[in-house]
Amino acid sequence: GENVEQHPSTLSVQEGDSAVIKCTYSDSASNYFPWYKQELGKRPQLIIDIRSNVGEKKDQRIAVTLNKTAKHFSLHITETQPEDSAVYFCAASRARIAGNQFYFGTGTSLTVIP
Amino acid sequence: NAGVTQTPKFQVLKTGQSMTLQCAQDMNHEYMSWYRQDPGMGLRLIHYSVGAGITDQGEVPNGYNVSRSTTEDFPLRLLSAAPSQTSVYFCASSLNPSGGTEAFFGQGTRLTVV
Repeated sequence: GENVEQHPSTLSVQEGDSAVIKCTYSDSASNYFPWYKQELGKRPQLIIDIRSNVGEKKDQRIAVTLNKTAKHFSLHITETQPEDSAVYFCAASRARIAGNQFYFGTGTSLTVIP
Repeated sequence: NAGVTQTPKFQVLKTGQSMTLQCAQDMNHEYMSWYRQDPGMGLRLIHYSVGAGITDQGEVPNGYNVSRSTTEDFPLRLLSAAPSQTSVYFCASSLNPSGGTEAFFGQGTRLTVV
C-alpha cells in the first residue's frame, strides 16, 4: 500500500515568516494530494489540494507544489499569522476499484510565535 | 448544513465492554470511513465503505466491526474494548468513491478504555 512520510513533526516560526512542510509518497499511482488543518480539539478540515496533472496551486497565503517524478509534495504558508498555529496533515490517494483510500502523514504541529 | 455528525463526543469504557460509535452524513456521499488518531501516528484507516452494503478493511481493523445499511449511516462497533483502543475516532465521508475528492470529517469521539 501507499506510505506517506511527513516532515518536520514540529515547526516554530515567527509571525510573518514562511513555513514549509514536506511530504513524500511511495505509490506512483497516487493522483490526489490534499492538505488538512486541525486546530486543537477540532476536526481536520481541507485547506488546499492538488491533483497529479498540476505542478502548483495557490490560494492566498497558502500554496502546494507537487513533484511527481520525485514523489514529493509540499505546503507553503507565507506571512504566517498566529491563527495558522495548528497541526497540518498531508495525504495521498488514488482512484482504485476497491475505493478511494486516503493515506495520511503523521502530521506537523506548527506554532506561529507572535 | 449538518455535514458529518458523530456521537458521542466523549466516552469512557471498561475493558471488555462493547459500544457503537455513530456516524451520519447528509451530503449523499457514497464513500464513508473511520479513522483513529493517536499522538505521533496521524490518522489511520480502520474500515471504509464505498456504498450501502459494501465495506472493507483499512490499515487497523482488528477489534472493530462496521456495517453500511444506508447511504447516510456508518456505525463503528467495538466488540470488546481494550486499553489499546483508547484514541480519538473520526468518521469521514467523501462524494466520489472512485477517488480524488475532499474528505469531510465529523467532530470526533474521544474514547478512553480503562
